[in-house]
Amino acid sequence: AQRVTQPEKLLSVFKGAPVELKCNYSYSGSPELFWYVQYSRQRLQLLLRHISRESIKGFTADLNKGETSFHLKKPFAQEEDSAMYYCALRDGSSGGSNYKLTFGKGTLLTVNP
Amino acid sequence: DGGITQSPKYLFRKEGQNVTLSCEQNLNHDAMYWYRQDPGQGLRLIYYSQIVNDFQKGDIAEGYSVSREKKESFPLTVTSAQKNPTAFYLCASTGIGNTIYFGEGSWLTVV
Repeated sequence: AQRVTQPEKLLSVFKGAPVELKCNYSYSGSPELFWYVQYSRQRLQLLLRHISRESIKGFTADLNKGETSFHLKKPFAQEEDSAMYYCALRDGSSGGSNYKLTFGKGTLLTVNP
Repeated sequence: DGGITQSPKYLFRKEGQNVTLSCEQNLNHDAMYWYRQDPGQGLRLIYYSQIVNDFQKGDIAEGYSVSREKKESFPLTVTSAQKNPTAFYLCASTGIGNTIYFGEGSWLTVV
């Protein structure tokens, strides 16, 4: 079974401070991991995916298969980063034919001025 | 203007009634999903469909039903068997590259 755990419901930091949103997963196959973000009054949207190995809006995330983690990090938080963040997992095997996408419960990040 | 459209945005249902939430996409995506979003629960998968005329139960399918007669459409029916239907419902779709796109959501309240 696919499972995604985000241990922190709420995370509050000050502007300019580093931020790390934790995500751990449980899956026996070959996972694809994603981070989605939901800003106030906006749709959920993709922030980044591990296979792209890119940095979006200053955020990065590295897949650690040994620790089964995909933590989201940003060295200097900005007020506009305040949002709900969801980690998600999909079966990355079978050429992408498995479309089941499982989400964590989310972490509400608040960046204070 | 491409995207995913959910309707209605707000819906009130009397206890014992079935209601259907609409989800339409013009992105030519093969896969479509229905999630339920509750405070503190995150997004929980109700049903998903990878191709037309096929769908699979998600983690909380009880009390819900879906159909996928057309590629563009994936309506969700919340039946009277769903014990706690008041929630925010999100439809999504995904295609090549597997980026998932979400609709704006539908609020369902049981009165």
